[in-house]
Amino acid sequence: AQTVTQSQPEMSVQEAETVTLSCTYDTSESDYYLFWYKQPPSRQMILVIRQEAYKQQNATENRFSVNFQKAAKSFSLKISDSQLGDAAMYFCAYRSAAYQFYFGTGTSLTVIP
Amino acid sequence: DAMVIQNPRYQVTQFGKPVTLSCSQTLNHNVMYWYQQKSSQAPKLLFHYYDKDFNNEADTPDNFQSRRPNTSFCFLDIRSPGLGDAAMYLCATSLSISDEQFFGPGTRLTVL
Repeated sequence: AQTVTQSQPEMSVQEAETVTLSCTYDTSESDYYLFWYKQPPSRQMILVIRQEAYKQQNATENRFSVNFQKAAKSFSLKISDSQLGDAAMYFCAYRSAAYQFYFGTGTSLTVIP
Repeated sequence: DAMVIQNPRYQVTQFGKPVTLSCSQTLNHNVMYWYQQKSSQAPKLLFHYYDKDFNNEADTPDNFQSRRPNTSFCFLDIRSPGLGDAAMYLCATSLSISDEQFFGPGTRLTVL
């Protein structure tokens, strides 16, 4: 079975600085999708960024970018120019070719003013 | 605005008393999902509907059932809630099984 590991339960970053959240996964598949979701306190989960495994180019969405290392099964999220509104729980997720979803245990990000 | 709505946001039930959580969507998405998220844990997929086709995860307990009477609504029925079923229940939708999921705000279930 696929597993998703987020080894940093908590992270903090100074406002305007850059932070990287790590995620590793275990799979024997070659075709899959990876996601980062953001869940602010008491608010609903929203998609931050996604990456198709067959694409070598790292996905980017404004201040959010990923470092996708397929061979190493690593999928880290970089947040540049951190803002107070970035404070949230961040979940890494894996979607298999059979459309099964697996979430990591999350990283709680604090942004320090 | 189009969205995923979950009612109620907070639900309290008694041990063994059946409870139903509801989810509705105005996105006209084909797929609806139910997740269970316990405190400080990752969301765990319970099941999903692709249109009327029900797909149960292998490790979802029989105590959990779901109904989707139409495209817009999906219900989670817990037949005999136990203390271990206390959790946040998240509903999500996607246009197709390969598309981005849109999440509702969740229903926090307390079992007394």
